[in-house]
This record gives sequence, structure tokens and C-alpha cells, in this order.
Amino acid sequence: RKEVEQDPGPFNVPEGATVAFNCTYSNSASQSFFWYRQDCRKEPKLLMSVYSSGNEDGRFTAQLNRASQYISLLIRDSKLSDSATYLCAVRGDGGATNKLIFGTGTLLAVQP
Amino acid sequence: NAGVTQTPKFRILKIGQSMTLQCTQDMNHNYMYWYRQDPGMGLKLIYYSVGAGITDKGEVPNGYNVSRSTTEDFPLRLELAAPSQTSVYFCASSSRQGRDYNEQFFGPGTRLTVL
Repeated sequence: RKEVEQDPGPFNVPEGATVAFNCTYSNSASQSFFWYRQDCRKEPKLLMSVYSSGNEDGRFTAQLNRASQYISLLIRDSKLSDSATYLCAVRGDGGATNKLIFGTGTLLAVQP
Repeated sequence: NAGVTQTPKFRILKIGQSMTLQCTQDMNHNYMYWYRQDPGMGLKLIYYSVGAGITDKGEVPNGYNVSRSTTEDFPLRLELAAPSQTSVYFCASSSRQGRDYNEQFFGPGTRLTVL
């Protein structure tokens, strides 16, 4: 089993739709969780961290389910500009080095 | 403040050639990382460094070497290029505040093709 798994998509949704991505992780000792956004042929950029109680940033909501070992990202009112690959990342090295393990990414295509 | 810069942007190598991918950050970050990303895949950690003079292997270190003589620079060396090393290489850096780590900032990447 991979340490971090994501549905690769693509997710094709119309503008204004709500879309959700899940990411499962295998190491129950994992401590920190993140969502990164990667545009085509660009570097990943941090979208948001995922906190235990869940957190929201505008149209984006991130949640953590430790019991089932997954994190989720919800995007409301999708915009064309949201089209990108969304990578989840997990840190589980005990906090010594900030090493992250990335999923393969989920491709989102928002259609006009 | 340029952030993380990488050179070159693109490179084509022949099998058996060697090269160094350069990475520099101007944010005074102690932690630096090298990742590779193959098509349709996530990022795999090659090597990382927690400060000048300290480096360690990541998930996929074979075929690569690194050094960290200064806080700013973290070059990645390919000694004998192989087609399996065709990939996009990203350098990243981060800092730490107390027990918490700040986000990893990525450079724009180097696209390497080995023929």
C-alpha cells in the first residue's frame, strides 16, 4: 500500500460546482497534513495546511479524519482558475526534518 | 527577494554524462530538499539538508549526490546519467519556528532528459 494515495482524476466539473478530493495515508503516526496546488509545468505551492478541527480559507475547506486516516479538500463555487493538480502531503518523521510524502495528485479541470 | 532559484531550466544529457543542478535560496532557510517528479506522479524526495554541512538521503537517492557548504546553496549532482533519471527536479526550502515548521517553498524546477 502506498504511504499517501489520491484519486488521480481528472475531475471535470462545470463552473460553480462543488468538488471534493480525498487523500488517504497509511502511517497512523503522521502528524501534519497539507494541500498543495500545482499548475501545469509549474512548481507546487502551498494551498493550505490541514488542522485537526478542520479549517476554511474562502471557498476552500480542508478536513482531517484521523480514525479513517484521510484528509479532504472541498472547493465550493469552482472557478476556471481553480483548474490545476492538487497534491496532498503528509509529514510523519517525528518532526525532525520536515520531510513530506506527497500523493500523486488529483487533476481538476473546471469547464466554462 | 527571489525565493528559491534553480538552474538550468532545461537540459538534455547523453547516457553516462554528468551534471550539477544548482539551487539557491535567499530566505536564510536551514532546511533544503531535492525532489523529482515523474509524469503523473507525486514528488519523491531524493536528498535533504537540515543545515550547512549536514545532508541525508531521502526516498530515492541512488544515482545522485549532494553537498551543502553554505546555507544558501544546495547543488544536486548526477554522476552517470541514465534514462531513468529523466524527470523534473524541484528544489525546496523551509524554516522552523520553535517546534513548528513553516511551509516548503519550491523553485521553478529543472526539466532533465537523458537520451
